[in-house]
Amino acid sequence: DAKTTQPNSMESNEEEPVHLPCNHSTISGTDYIHWYRQLPSQGPEYVIHGLTSNVNNRMASLAIAEDRKSSTLILHRATLRDAAVYYCMDSYGGSQGNLIFGKGTKLSVKP
Amino acid sequence: DAGVIQSPRHEVTEMGQEVTLRCKPISGHDYLFWYRQTMMRGLELLIYFNNNVPIDDSGMPEDRFSAKMPNASFSTLKIQPSEPRDSAVYFCASTGGHSRQPQHFGDGTRLSIL
Repeated sequence: DAKTTQPNSMESNEEEPVHLPCNHSTISGTDYIHWYRQLPSQGPEYVIHGLTSNVNNRMASLAIAEDRKSSTLILHRATLRDAAVYYCMDSYGGSQGNLIFGKGTKLSVKP
Repeated sequence: DAGVIQSPRHEVTEMGQEVTLRCKPISGHDYLFWYRQTMMRGLELLIYFNNNVPIDDSGMPEDRFSAKMPNASFSTLKIQPSEPRDSAVYFCASTGGHSRQPQHFGDGTRLSIL
């Protein structure tokens, strides 16, 4: 079972910022926080990851709470192409093979 | 650069038949993963390899499923005999190792068992 909790769905308007929340209630000190997304009819796609500090890349920003029990994926200006299912995960013990995908948040973007 | 390549993209076959799914990871990646996605169960990890060696196959549903990685550039997932409940989208992913490295997914194989 997934170790993170996310809202089932969210809506956004095009060109507005979107904040996607995630709770990591069982995260441990060495676990990284990962975000992936899955566009319709495609495989999951890496978005961003972090450990403790906030992270930015060309796709999004990741805000990590001080206690690391929650994180927020920020899309600064949503586009129609950002409509997807967004998954947040912890990687246990730093090893591969422990990305457990939950049900994710289905983001809808309205024009 | 070519991404993870899976074949076939679609497969329709009758129950009882053998099904073989294929995956070519990104060159230089030393981890390879097989996932299955269904509406009911979401995305599940079936098995993963490191340097061509199976590390964790606890997600493989039953003995009808087997996976091999004969070399660093090729892996197969085989179902024999296939059953209708095996219908799903099967994804292959690869990564360069350390848990900080992102996994790169293929476009998947949509399998339908009639």
